[in-house]
Order: sequence, then structure tokens, then C-alpha cells
Amino acid sequence: ELHVLESGGGLVRPGGSLRLSCETSGFIFGNYAMGWVRQAPGKGLEWVCDISNSGGSTTYADSVRGRFTISRDNSRNTVHLQMNSLRVEDTAVYYCAKSWDAVVVPGFDFWGQGTLVTVSS
Amino acid sequence: DIEMTQSPSSLSASVGDRVTITCRASDSISTYLNWYQQKPGKAPTLLIYGASSLHSGVPSRFTGTGSGTDFTLTISSLQPEDFATYYCQQNHRTTLTFGQGTRLELK
Repeated sequence: ELHVLESGGGLVRPGGSLRLSCETSGFIFGNYAMGWVRQAPGKGLEWVCDISNSGGSTTYADSVRGRFTISRDNSRNTVHLQMNSLRVEDTAVYYCAKSWDAVVVPGFDFWGQGTLVTVSS
Repeated sequence: DIEMTQSPSSLSASVGDRVTITCRASDSISTYLNWYQQKPGKAPTLLIYGASSLHSGVPSRFTGTGSGTDFTLTISSLQPEDFATYYCQQNHRTTLTFGQGTRLELK
């Protein structure tokens, strides 16, 4: 059975940093790209970034490029999202999600339950 | 970036109804279109990929059609568990974008 579990969310001041982690099990992690999608309170889904199966290719939304960094550790079946220079508008539930492809992300076929990040003074 | 526009934004229907949700892309995306369902407080789940392929375990009452810029998601006979919010998502380019969502409510 597939499992995706996010952690690391919380309350942070504007300009601060936070690191999210995503632990996975139940599939061959190194075969699939992974990504992060966020959802602001009461709003729709926004793709944030993704990373290829090897970690050699990453893609970011314009809204986070230069501030967020996605990485993965295939030996520990985990994905991380380092978030710097956080803004109030980054407040959202952050979902870690598995793609069904290795390199180019067509979409996500399994999602974690999300972790809430609140940016507020 | 390609923009995705869903209509309607909300929809009221009854159990047993047939409903259709539309998604329009700002540029042609071939069939690089996925549909997701999200229930309150839960993570999204994949319903349809490649515009018309049913994801594993998804009931056959869900059907996706379309190509180019216009796509539809049809639920042939609404069941109580289908009342949720539905999102389309394009993957024609390396940056993914979602529609704004269609909330399906019980009439």
C-alpha cells in the first residue's frame, strides 16, 4: 500500500524559512518523479514544483522560483522542500504527491494528506 | 503559462443526475489533461489522465473527453460520494496549471 506523509509545517514569520519533508513507502521511490502542490485556505490547487526520479531535473512555479528548493534522497525514499524568504501569500496546505512518470511530470496519481504552513507576523 | 478555466464554478445536482463539467485551455494542449476530485479536508485524488483514461479504481460512471482546448468531465449517474470539488490540470508544458475548481453540491 502506498504511503506519503508530509511533515514540517507550522507558523513562521514573514521572511523566515521552513523545511518540509515527505516520507514515502509502498512503491519503488527511485522510479518516479515527485512534486509539491499547495492550497491556500478556501482556494484552489497550485502546483509549486517537481523533481525527476534521479533528482537531476527540477521545475518551479514562477511564484516560488529562487525562494524554494526541492530535493530528494532516494536512499531514504524522501522528498524535501526548503522554503526561504516566506511571504504571507505562501500560507497554504502543502501536499507532497507522486507522479506516474520518471522525468517529465504529467500529473500526480497519489497524494499525501498535506501539512499546513502559516506565514504571519 | 497556459491558463485553465472551468465552468461552472459551482453546480447543484441530485443523486442519479448526469452532470458535465467543462475545462478550457488558453492554448492547445492536445490531450495533456487530467481531472482530480477533492473532498473537504482531504487530499485530491486522480480520476482521469490523458483527457480520457480512467485511473485505476475509479468508477466507470466518470468519463473524460476532449482535445486541443476544450475538455469535459461527465458523471453519468451521481452517487452520494461524488459530491466534491473537481479540478482539471494541464501538463502540456513543464509548468503545470490547475483550473479554479468546480464545486458539485447536493441540491
